[in-house]
Amino acid sequence: AQKVTQAQTEISVVEKEDVTLDCVYETRDTTYYLFWYKQPPSGELVFLIRRNSFDEQNEISGRYSWNFQKSTSSFNFTITASQVVDSAVYFCALSEATDSWGKLQFGAGTQVVVTP
Amino acid sequence: EAGVAQSPRYKIIEKRQSVAFWCNPISGHATLYWYQQILGQGPKLLIQFQNNGVVDDSQLPKDRFSAERLKGVDSTLKIQPAKLEDSAVYLCASTLSTWETQYFGPGTRLLVL
Repeated sequence: AQKVTQAQTEISVVEKEDVTLDCVYETRDTTYYLFWYKQPPSGELVFLIRRNSFDEQNEISGRYSWNFQKSTSSFNFTITASQVVDSAVYFCALSEATDSWGKLQFGAGTQVVVTP
Repeated sequence: EAGVAQSPRYKIIEKRQSVAFWCNPISGHATLYWYQQILGQGPKLLIQFQNNGVVDDSQLPKDRFSAERLKGVDSTLKIQPAKLEDSAVYLCASTLSTWETQYFGPGTRLLVL
């Protein structure tokens, strides 16, 4: 069963618009980690953020912000004032405590296209 | 600090041939992962090493895939014989220890004809 759902396949925006990527996860564990990675056309997965299940504080890093809500099992990601360089596929991933070796379970990804 | 290195970056082979991929993790990283990413999907774990021992290979198609991590540093992933459905990007990642953030290499794009 898919444990991480990214319902948006592709989002297209014009530069300077904000874009929000949805991520819904499923786990019975009380201890788990959530991640966001960016995959530009070059193919390398670039780490963006790691959040543990006990820390529901929202986080802002430059133009990026994350909204973690355990009540709805969501970990959404917003890019403010998007730029062409933000064009990439963004993956949400889950690592569960019962899986004692920390493997990542990825969603299907959301393609973000930012046009000038 | 150097990142995760992988080679080759691209490989084209015919079905039933064999192929090998190489990964050099970040220095000092004890845990190494191989993921397979089929076009349009998220990466899926194939095998995980802790130092030079395998801790999870439940998703590795063992009839054709094999992997090793000699001396707990570099790792190789082999496919023999390759099938058309093995066309994918093979990503290597490493972490200091199990629960730390995984850092990925650039991947090897494999096309099986």
